[in-house]
Amino acid sequence: DIQMTQSPSSVSASVGDRVTITCRASQGISSWLGWYQQKPGKAPKLLIYAASTLQSGVPSRFIGSGSGTDFTLTISSLQPEDFATYYCQQANSFPLTFGGGTKVEIK
Amino acid sequence: EVQLLESGGGLVQPGGSLRLSCATSGFTFSTYALSWVRQAPGKGLEWVSGISGSGDYTYYADSVKGRFTISRDNSKNTLYLQMNSLRAEDTAVYYCAKGGPYSSNWYDDYWGQGTLVTVSS
Repeated sequence: DIQMTQSPSSVSASVGDRVTITCRASQGISSWLGWYQQKPGKAPKLLIYAASTLQSGVPSRFIGSGSGTDFTLTISSLQPEDFATYYCQQANSFPLTFGGGTKVEIK
Repeated sequence: EVQLLESGGGLVQPGGSLRLSCATSGFTFSTYALSWVRQAPGKGLEWVSGISGSGDYTYYADSVKGRFTISRDNSKNTLYLQMNSLRAEDTAVYYCAKGGPYSSNWYDDYWGQGTLVTVSS
């Protein structure tokens, strides 16, 4: 199985900050990576797929990059509604696997 | 409007069984892959199982293989998860999620609200 490792597990930031979350796959997954946002008590929301493609309706401040084993999600200017937990997921092979999550908290 | 609505969760004893359902609307059901994803209380997301649009192909996490069975009824636009030999560690909110068309990708662009399964004596 492919292991997905996210870092950091949590980050404190202020509105307007640039935040970067990394995700590493235990083996190459090409660009088969998605990023999800989850707020407390809510279902996850797809932000980015294929490593860098913005899902329809998602603000352009969310930027995905990477390929192979190393990926990043960047929030270019953090907004109040962005405080949430973010997960990466590999969609290269079964079983699909998620990273452990990164909680973005208010500083 | 795409909608997914899970049902069937509840309290079950260890070793027991439960069947989850996910009723859907707003898209051509038989065209899309579907998945079940769970989240234990206070924990992260865990992909559980997936099924192709036709139902011919099914996939499972190692943690549930041999105990859970995913299926779909394309005439009823409904996804199912039969869960047998339940364990305390299966306690979680279970989400159904819609993937890509013709199993072209497994990114989940729509999710249900989740149903809670509690395994306890």
